[in-house]
Amino acid sequence: QLQLRESGPGLLKPSETLSLNCTVSGGSIRSGGYYWGWIRQPPGRGLEWIGNINYSGHTYYNPSLESRFTISADTSRNQFSLNLKSVTAADTAVYYCTRVAGSWRTHVDYWGQGTLVTVSS
Amino acid sequence: QSALTQPPSASGSPGRSVTISCTGTSSDVGGYNYVSWYQQHPGKAPKLLIYEVNKRPSGVPDRFSGSKSGNTASLTVSGLQAEDEADYYCSSYAGNNSFVFGTGTKVTVL
Repeated sequence: QLQLRESGPGLLKPSETLSLNCTVSGGSIRSGGYYWGWIRQPPGRGLEWIGNINYSGHTYYNPSLESRFTISADTSRNQFSLNLKSVTAADTAVYYCTRVAGSWRTHVDYWGQGTLVTVSS
Repeated sequence: QSALTQPPSASGSPGRSVTISCTGTSSDVGGYNYVSWYQQHPGKAPKLLIYEVNKRPSGVPDRFSGSKSGNTASLTVSGLQAEDEADYYCSSYAGNNSFVFGTGTKVTVL
C-alpha cells in the first residue's frame, strides 16, 4: 500500500525559508505514469494546488502563485521536497504531499496526512 | 487561474440525494474531461471520489456519481448517509500541466 508522509518544521518566523520533505513508501517515485506534488490548505479554507514534479524531474507550478516555491526530488531516498522562500503569515496552512495519477496526470489518488505549518513572529 | 465556483453549503435528509455544482470556464472544466471530486472530513486529508468526470476509484460506493455539461460539473450523492457529512471539493485540469480546485461545499446531513 502506497504511503506518503510529510516532515518538516511546524513553526517558522516571517522571512524564513520553509523546507518540507515527503517520504514515499510502498512505491517508487521513479515509476513512470505518476507525478508527485504539493497542495496546501489554509486553516478553515479551501485547497490550493502548489505544483508537481514528474519522474524525470520536470516541475510544474501554479501560475497564480508567486515564484517562491521550488519542488525537487531525491530518487535515492524516494523523497520529494518543497521549498518556500520568504514565508509570511499568509503561508500558514496544512501542506499535503500527493501522488498525481491519470493519463494526463489529472487527479490525486494518494495524499499524505498533511503537516501544519504556522508562520508567526 | 481562478478557483472553480461551488456553493458554500448543501444539505439533505438521510436517504435523499444532494447535488453539488462546480462551475469553471472553457479553459478548465469546459475544455477537458478531467474533473475530479474529493471528500474531506474534519482534520483529515481529502479522499478521491470521482475522476475524469464520472469514474469511481475502487472502493468508492456507487452512491457517488459525477457528470458534466459545458463549463459546469456536478457531483450527486444518492442515498445520503450520516458519514457523507463532509466538505467536498472539485478540481479540474486547466492545461499546461496545471490544476485548479473549487471553493468547496460543506454537505450537511439533516
